This record gives sequence, C-alpha cells and structure tokens, in this order.
Amino acid sequence: DAGVIQSPRHEVTEMGQEVTLRCKPISGHDYLFWYRQTMMRGLELLIYFNNNVPIDDSGMPEDRFSAKMPNASFSTLKIQPSEPRDSAVYFCASRVSVVLGAIYFGEGSWLTVV
Amino acid sequence: AQSVTQLGSHVSVSEGALVLLRCNYSSSVPPYLFWYVQYPNQGLQLLLKYTSAATLVKGINGFEAEFKKSETSFHLTKPSAHMSDAAEYFCAVSERTGNQFYFGTGTSLTVIP
Repeated sequence: DAGVIQSPRHEVTEMGQEVTLRCKPISGHDYLFWYRQTMMRGLELLIYFNNNVPIDDSGMPEDRFSAKMPNASFSTLKIQPSEPRDSAVYFCASRVSVVLGAIYFGEGSWLTVV
Repeated sequence: AQSVTQLGSHVSVSEGALVLLRCNYSSSVPPYLFWYVQYPNQGLQLLLKYTSAATLVKGINGFEAEFKKSETSFHLTKPSAHMSDAAEYFCAVSERTGNQFYFGTGTSLTVIP
C-alpha cells in the first residue's frame, strides 16, 4: 500500500511568494494532520482534519497559513505570503478513525524561503 | 491535555551496548503510547505501539518498550546498538477518547563505533 504522499519534496522560494504544499493521505484514513518541524521548535501540530472537516487549527501560526481538504484523498497547506521564518519541514500524516490507530507520516516537504 | 517528557535530548552509546531512551507521560488514565524514529532527511516512522494488550511491546529493528503504569513510563530499549540506529526518536501519546497525538521533544541517538 502506498504511504502518505507529499509534494513537493523540496522547495526554495523567495520571500513574499505563495507556497502550496500538497498531501495525499493513505486510502481509508479518516484523519489528516499537518505538522511543522524546525530545530528551534521541534514538531508542531498545525491543523488536523476529520472526514475532510478541519477540527483544530489552533496551531496555525497566523493568517498567512491556510489549509484545505476538498476530498478524502487530497489536502493542501498554503502560505501566502511566505517569510524566511517559515523555512521548515512540513509533514502530512494520516490515521484511521479508530482509537488504536497510529499516525503515519509522509516524507515531508522541505521549504526554504530566502 | 496530555504531555510527554523525553529525558535526555541526546544519548550516546557504543556500538553493541544497550540502548535506553526514556519517555514519561502525564495522565491518570493510561493512554495509548507510541515510539517513532526519524532518520536524517526522512519522515517519522512508527517503531512500535502500546494499546493496552501486553505491557512489553516489540517493534521493528529489535526495539522494544515496556509500559509501566506505576511509573507512567514507556521507555524504549534495544539490547545491542547498531550504527544504523543513529536517528531521532520520538515518544507520542494518544488519549483513549481523543483524536490528537502529543509528541515528545525527541531524543537524538548517536552510536559510537
């Protein structure tokens, strides 16, 4: 079975540009999570969805960040406008809707804003 | 809310030595517990999980963890470290009735030849 698929794997962009990160969760998983990882702050939960509905977006740093899940097999995380401090690895993860389910991570999108 | 504490942000062991990575959780009700490993430039990979069956859980790559309710701990061990074990290790908890995962701050394992 395919795991969580993220794209792009690496992106370098200039400050002020719009960045869109994409995620395809594991088929059949009902929960989708977006995390951000940096050396300074570690692993941070940004937002998570259940059945395509955003449940908790309290981790989204500011209005420049937005996330959507138009259907069960696709989600986007958008940063507009991007800033150098947004440079990080962004992980998408998914899990099934049973309490015993583990989270499964994608390989991450490595974002550098210059 | 749950919290997870990983004691020691960096651990160094010699190749062939015992690996012990510590994890404690804060909850009066035992949660579900997980260990993840992150190799350089990769995502987090599930090592093992505890879901209230056997208290000693075996995972991949020879790792195991023991759930101790009295100590609110879920330490990760491996009898003999291998060079390929060098990575970042994360402990995580999930409430039995909740949807969120709570991750520890990670422990970086270095294996010395």
